[in-house]
Amino acid sequence: EVQLVESGGGLVQPGRSLRLSCAASGFTFDDYAMHWVRQAPGKGLEWVSGISWNSGSIGYADSVKGRFTISRDNAKNSLYLQMNSLRAEDTALYYCAKDIMGTGTTSFYFDYWGQGTLVTVSS
Amino acid sequence: EIVLTQSPATLSLSPGERATLSCRASQSVSSYLAWYQQKPGQAPRLLIYDASNRATGIPARFSGSGSGTDFTLTISSLEPEDFAVYYCQQRSNSITFGQGTRLEIK
Repeated sequence: EVQLVESGGGLVQPGRSLRLSCAASGFTFDDYAMHWVRQAPGKGLEWVSGISWNSGSIGYADSVKGRFTISRDNAKNSLYLQMNSLRAEDTALYYCAKDIMGTGTTSFYFDYWGQGTLVTVSS
Repeated sequence: EIVLTQSPATLSLSPGERATLSCRASQSVSSYLAWYQQKPGQAPRLLIYDASNRATGIPARFSGSGSGTDFTLTISSLEPEDFAVYYCQQRSNSITFGQGTRLEIK
């Protein structure tokens, strides 16, 4: 069974940093691209960042480019999101999501999601 | 940025009825469009990708159609568990989501 478990969220002041983690199990992690998608309270979905199976290709939404860094450790079956210079508008539930395509292809469609970790940016 | 506009914002139907949800793109996304279902307190669930391909385990009552700028998600006969919020998502040029359609029980 595929499981994605996010952690690392919390309350943080504007301008500070936070690092999110996602622990994956139930599939061959290093076969798949992975993504972070966020959802502000009561709002819709926003793709944040994605990383290919071997970290060779990385992308970011314009809203976080230059502030957030995605990374992965295939040996630990883990995905990370380093968030710097946080703003109030970054307040959201952050989901870790698995790409549907394996074998080195990134489809940018998301077939498994974690339950999310809440990040609140407020003074 | 490609903007996806979903309509209607809210759709009120009864179990057993047919639901038709629309997603319109601000420019062509070819067939690079997906649909997700989200229930309160849950993560989204992938229903359809590449406009018309059902994801693994998705019932046949869900179908997707369209290409270019106009797309439709059809639920042929609504089950009680289908009442939720539905989002479309494109991957043609970066990744964006529509604002969602709430499907509620009439």
